[in-house]
Amino acid sequence: GESVGLHLPTLSVQEGDNSIINCAYSNSASDYFIWYKQESGKGPQFIIDIRSNMDKRQGQRVTVLLNKTVKHLSLQIAATQPGDSAVYFCAESTHLMDSNYQLIWGAGTKLIIKP
Amino acid sequence: EPEVTQTPSHQVTQMGQEVILRCVPISNHLYFYWYRQILGQKVEFLVSFYNNEISEKSEIFDDQFSVERPDGSNFTLKIRSTKLEDSAMYFCASSEAGSRGGPQHFGDGTRLSIL
Repeated sequence: GESVGLHLPTLSVQEGDNSIINCAYSNSASDYFIWYKQESGKGPQFIIDIRSNMDKRQGQRVTVLLNKTVKHLSLQIAATQPGDSAVYFCAESTHLMDSNYQLIWGAGTKLIIKP
Repeated sequence: EPEVTQTPSHQVTQMGQEVILRCVPISNHLYFYWYRQILGQKVEFLVSFYNNEISEKSEIFDDQFSVERPDGSNFTLKIRSTKLEDSAMYFCASSEAGSRGGPQHFGDGTRLSIL
């Protein structure tokens, strides 16, 4: 079936270093992807999105890379800070059989920033 | 910055009872969604709502679930006869455009505990 998944469930990074969170998707027809950050006890917070007509998009300290050839998405966070500690989810907007587009979520990666 | 608000933050209900979860989406948004997240698991789509009707629903959203937009600001999720397995965090989200058109913005959720 169609799915979005993450390679690493937990990632520990030294404060100040860069971090890379990876995500694989399986529906080549998906054309819109979003990264969310979820802190403990809060709802998912939008970070950055990218459409399938782009390979890269940059925000403030974050970059999303899309490799459609291997159906891979990554989130790069530069100069990580303690406030970056959270669970990060990738989500794809995909068209399932007999349905309209809906957001399918990956399993999440927990990012831990070490002081 | 406008935000999605959800009430209550925590709801404890006896199995078999009805529960209504409430949400106030961002005021200029036209698309509304409910998701659930069982503790430690990924976010699961329940239903999307546009133009006063359900536009998409998942297999989870069975006959026990219903949604309503009773006025111009509120968006509710009702579970008619709760089961133990309904215990989860329930998130409301809204967006200006549909699932492909732009990011969904989430509230901080309602923790539903079924006893």
